[in-house]
Amino acid sequence: KQEVTQIPAALSVPEGENLVLNCSFTDSAIYNLQWFRQDPGKGLTSLLLIQSSQREQTSGRLNASLDKSSGRSTLYIAASQPGDSATYLCAVSRSNDYKLSFGAGTTVTVRA
Amino acid sequence: GAVVSQHPSWVICKSGTSVKIECRSLDFQATTMFWYRQFPKQSLMLMATSNEGSKATYEQGVEKDKFLINHASLTLSTLTVTSAHPEDSSFYICSASDQDTQYFGPGTRLTVL
Repeated sequence: KQEVTQIPAALSVPEGENLVLNCSFTDSAIYNLQWFRQDPGKGLTSLLLIQSSQREQTSGRLNASLDKSSGRSTLYIAASQPGDSATYLCAVSRSNDYKLSFGAGTTVTVRA
Repeated sequence: GAVVSQHPSWVICKSGTSVKIECRSLDFQATTMFWYRQFPKQSLMLMATSNEGSKATYEQGVEKDKFLINHASLTLSTLTVTSAHPEDSSFYICSASDQDTQYFGPGTRLTVL
């Protein structure tokens, strides 16, 4: 069974600092990995999707890397802003059946 | 991008009653929808996969007679929590997939008194 772990569970930084969020998974036989953002009491917004054959994806201030062999992914958020405050979830799928295994998330607070 | 809606956004009910939650894909057809449950401070756990026109596939440990799923059309899946109890109180989120991407609904907060 795939286990997804996110460290740290919570993170508080001053505005302008770069954020580094970590995700690890136990089974390296993944189809793809996604990073999501979840605001309190809300659904999920997809941020980045990395296919198993890719090493990284970038979108604006966000960059996600994938090291499938070591079972790790890192989400970098550059020049953090208070609006980045949210919970960030990492999820992996084992095949193209779209079933996702989620980590528990990292709750980020960016202080103005 | 594609939009998935859920109704209701929140519901409070008495113990023993049944609650129906709807998940709709608004601008695309979804042959497959997923239902997740999220307890406070915990991750999303997949409950079941809902396939249009066929029976849902439930994950291990999820009672199919308690969580009834119906996928009547390519744009609508419903989850009915039967004889709800306080331990069923949770945040229920659905997702729908087109050929490439999975889109998530805004979630339904269920509180059972």
